[in-house]
Amino acid sequence: DTAVSQTPKYLVTQMGNDKSIKCEQNLGHDTMYWYKQDSKKFLKIMFSYNNKELIINETVPNRFSPKSPDKAHLNLHINSLELGDSAVYFCASSQEGAGGLYNEQFFGPGTRLTVL
Amino acid sequence: AQTVTQSQPEMSVQEAETVTLSCTYDTSESDYYLFWYKQPPSRQMILVIRQEAYKQQNATENRFSVNFQKAAKSFSLKISDSQLGDAAMYFCAYRRGNAGNMLTFGGGTRLMVKP
Repeated sequence: DTAVSQTPKYLVTQMGNDKSIKCEQNLGHDTMYWYKQDSKKFLKIMFSYNNKELIINETVPNRFSPKSPDKAHLNLHINSLELGDSAVYFCASSQEGAGGLYNEQFFGPGTRLTVL
Repeated sequence: AQTVTQSQPEMSVQEAETVTLSCTYDTSESDYYLFWYKQPPSRQMILVIRQEAYKQQNATENRFSVNFQKAAKSFSLKISDSQLGDAAMYFCAYRRGNAGNMLTFGGGTRLMVKP
């Protein structure tokens, strides 16, 4: 029943490891996003995908690689994790094409990543 | 680049009273949307209210209303009859009207509600 889901909700790992966060939306939306919320609660866009194609890639280290196997999924893979990667990562989706209502973005519950 | 500023890091209100959260933004676009999101301790981002820039009428959703001043680039949120469940972080957000554009968020305002 969940509109936008993320797994895992919590992720604790060591520096240098590689990890992935999965996101799925069952709203039939054509655009998905990844946002990062730092320890001061500041939220910033990382990536945006429309119909499986990358359309926004803000200044993000290339250790972060988004992958969209289909329109309903946008996963985030992070290589060589660093202490500064500790944050909450939010996935979101919206319908940007025909039929989108106000292009509202629906957010997942967030994944709290802690790098030790 | 667009910027969104929330000048009040923290606000406090007595239960049942009214509080206004401030937000200003900077843009050269004419077509855009503005939003207020609520983030309770559960950290889920919840849309509270939205405003289309081309609409002059201020948006209202039950106890939540906005004061949209386009010329001043101001978009404040008024919460009437505050309830304990309103306690949360509130984020003002901007997005352009074109498809596929991301949200630009303000720094957030933590709202505390006193019983």
